[in-house]
Amino acid sequence: NAGVTQTPKFQVLKTGQSMTLQCAQDMNHNSMYWYRQDPGMGLRLIYYSASEGTTDKGEVPNGYNVSRLNKREFSLRLESAAPSQTSVYFCASSEPGAPKNIQYFGAGTRLSVL
Amino acid sequence: GIQVEQSPPDLILQEGANSTLRCNFSDSVNNLQWFHQNPWGQLINLFYIPSGTKQNGRLSATTVATERYSLLYISSSQTTDSGVYFCAVTFSGGYQKVTFGIGTKLQVIP
Repeated sequence: NAGVTQTPKFQVLKTGQSMTLQCAQDMNHNSMYWYRQDPGMGLRLIYYSASEGTTDKGEVPNGYNVSRLNKREFSLRLESAAPSQTSVYFCASSEPGAPKNIQYFGAGTRLSVL
Repeated sequence: GIQVEQSPPDLILQEGANSTLRCNFSDSVNNLQWFHQNPWGQLINLFYIPSGTKQNGRLSATTVATERYSLLYISSSQTTDSGVYFCAVTFSGGYQKVTFGIGTKLQVIP
């Protein structure tokens, strides 16, 4: 049981390049999330998907797009990377509804934009 | 606006000491979690605790929802407890939107 798997683990981009961060979960969860973590700050929600076929903006969605490909997979795309997007990106999943709306996180993707 | 505040921001403990971390939130919540981020960056859920008290080994947590705060207790700290502790809440009516505090960075020294 792998839980939440993110790829790649590390990536370096030049300003203006595009890339897609991949996330897959094998826990049959309905909800999935993308966060970014910057030094000295907590995690900030970029986008989330409450269920397959739906996506919603979080706190910091500008510059990003997402796709909920199926129940297992939720990808994050940077169309034109900027240095301000240098960060560590985390994907998470959960099964909403008390008492088990617990979030499980992937290992993170460390992205540098030069 | 909606806020999650954690204190203290930094904490250094001698191995074996006890500590209390605090999380204040600005509105009623239907979900509160405590996470530990280890020095390698991995985030691990410690407690799901929208109200009441829970214990897991040397760790325990209490949330007083009516007073809008939660406490995480670490007893007999060990070097492996080092890392950053985050409080994360889902505010009532916020559906699945989770708001994180900025964390408490804990260093346990031998």
